[in-house]
Amino acid sequence: KQEVTQIPAALSVPEGENLVLNCSFTDSAIYNLQWFRQDPGKGLTSLLLIQSSQREQTSGRLNASLDKSSGRSTLYIAASQPGDSATYLCAVFLGFGNEKLTFGTGTRLTIIP
Amino acid sequence: GAGVSQSPRYKVAKRGQDVALRCDPISGHVSLFWYQQALGQGPEFLTYFQNEAQLDKSGLPSDRFFAERPEGSVSTLKIQRTQQEDSAVYLCASSLAKNRDSYEQYFGPGTRLTVT
Repeated sequence: KQEVTQIPAALSVPEGENLVLNCSFTDSAIYNLQWFRQDPGKGLTSLLLIQSSQREQTSGRLNASLDKSSGRSTLYIAASQPGDSATYLCAVFLGFGNEKLTFGTGTRLTIIP
Repeated sequence: GAGVSQSPRYKVAKRGQDVALRCDPISGHVSLFWYQQALGQGPEFLTYFQNEAQLDKSGLPSDRFFAERPEGSVSTLKIQRTQQEDSAVYLCASSLAKNRDSYEQYFGPGTRLTVT
């Protein structure tokens, strides 16, 4: 059974710092991995999707990497801003025939102005 | 364009009541998913439809939970005889699911269910 772990569970950093969020998964046979953002009381906003054949994806100040063989992904946030405060979730997708997402428990990020 | 919408956004039910939660996926999306998110946890899969066919309901926690998507578009998640442990946010997602690049799931805002 696929298990997804995110460490740390919570993180507080001063504004302007670069930071890394970690995600690990037990079954490396994934089709893709997504990083989501969730604001309090809101749904999920997709940030980045990395296909299994890719090593990284970038969008603005966000960079996500994937090391499928070791079962790890990282989300790098550059020059953090107070608006980045949210819970960040990673989820793995096993592909056609098993199309559910398996989520980690998330990292609650607080950027201190 | 319009995203995934869910209604109601908030629902308070007394223990033992039945509730129905609605999901309107993005137009043309083939796949539709329901997830349950308990406080402080990541979403957990409940069930999945491809068009009107329910292909996986392995995540439904009990036979009190029932989902349908009769015309392959709007879906309803029904919970009978609600219990306090059913209190959670119920998220709906849809995906185009036509090829490799279209498996990305798009989520609605969720319905927060509180059972008192």
